[in-house]
Amino acid sequence: EAGVAQSPRYKIIEKRQSVAFWCNPISGHATLYWYQQILGQGPKLLIQFQNNGVVDDSQLPKDRFSAERLKGVDSTLKIQPAKLEDSAVYLCASSIRLDTQYFGPGTRLTVL
Amino acid sequence: KNQVEQSPQSLIILEGKNCTLQCNYTVSPFSNLRWYKQDTGRGPVSLTIMTFSENTKSNGRYTATLDADTKQSSLHITASQLSDSASYICVVIRSNDYKLSFGAGTTVTVRA
Repeated sequence: EAGVAQSPRYKIIEKRQSVAFWCNPISGHATLYWYQQILGQGPKLLIQFQNNGVVDDSQLPKDRFSAERLKGVDSTLKIQPAKLEDSAVYLCASSIRLDTQYFGPGTRLTVL
Repeated sequence: KNQVEQSPQSLIILEGKNCTLQCNYTVSPFSNLRWYKQDTGRGPVSLTIMTFSENTKSNGRYTATLDADTKQSSLHITASQLSDSASYICVVIRSNDYKLSFGAGTTVTVRA
């Protein structure tokens, strides 16, 4: 079974630039999550999708972050404009059971 | 506030030695507790899953314990190997909404 795919794996941008991350969940997994993991901390949930609908985006900084899952399969997370404090690993996870999540390898973002 | 606290923050051990990581939580209502291993540059991978009624669970050289009364868990690594060098994250799942609460992780470095 293929795992959660994410791209790119690494991205370096300057502050105020825009960036987008892509996630392809495990086939058949209806629930998709985006997490932000700052160095030395545990992941923080940014947004949760159930199919193509948003279940929870309470911790998503909506002034600069956006996410979509148009066809209920893959998803993109965008940051516009980026700030220095956005430097982190962005993890995508998917699940078929709500108590079991499978994580992708993450995208490491560095904002200079 | 639901929290998961892990200790120590980091540790260094010699190859072949044992070590124990601690996790204390205040998450409620409790569904299950998981220990994840996160290699550098990778997403977290589940090592063990423990429900309320389980006291101990093993996965190879990894043994997790759970005391639901005191809300404490531990992860014991036996006969450590260089490949055990990673961050170990304690995650507690709530039973009402299946939200994950992450600890900050313990970084383990195994040296030859």
